[in-house]
Amino acid sequence: AQSVTQLGSHVSVSEGALVLLRCNYSSSVPPYLFWYVQYPNQGLQLLLKYTSAATLVKGINGFEAEFKKSETSFHLTKPSAHMSDAAEYFCAVAGQGAQKLVFGQGTRLTINP
Amino acid sequence: DGGITQSPKYLFRKEGQNVTLSCEQNLNHDAMYWYRQDPGQGLRLIYYSQIVNDFQKGDIAEGYSVSREKKESFPLTVTSAQKNPTAFYLCASSKTRQNTGELFFGEGSRLTVL
Repeated sequence: AQSVTQLGSHVSVSEGALVLLRCNYSSSVPPYLFWYVQYPNQGLQLLLKYTSAATLVKGINGFEAEFKKSETSFHLTKPSAHMSDAAEYFCAVAGQGAQKLVFGQGTRLTINP
Repeated sequence: DGGITQSPKYLFRKEGQNVTLSCEQNLNHDAMYWYRQDPGQGLRLIYYSQIVNDFQKGDIAEGYSVSREKKESFPLTVTSAQKNPTAFYLCASSKTRQNTGELFFGEGSRLTVL
């Protein structure tokens, strides 16, 4: 079985500061890992995904995430926050061959001017 | 443009009424999903379908029903048996049956029970 824990339901950073959103996973098989972003009253959009290739994954809008098997983590980072990054972010996991994703509870990112 | 269309965007229902949410995709994707989103609880899977005329229960299927008569359509009915139906409902699709790839989401339907 797979599960995801996102540490911090709400993260606030200043514009231009580092963004770090934390995600830890549990999986009995090698995982596929995803980060999605949701803007208010909209659906989710894929930011990036890890599928057992490179451990450092680059996504859209300057985001990246690093898969660390020893720490069972897949934290999302962006070097310099922009006001347009304000949204809710979801980490998700699927075991290889799985038929469905399991989502974390989400982290709301606020950017302060 | 290809994508997923959900309707209606906002819906109000009286207690005891059934309501059907529409989800249509023109991506030619095999699999379709319905999620429910509540504040602070992330997304929870209601039903999913990997092929026409077949579907499986997700984690919170009680009080909901679906059908998959056409590849492009996967409507969700919220029945009067669903005790807390007020929520944001998201439909999604994926190209293949296995979740090794990307889920494409619609813009959601917000249901409020009065």
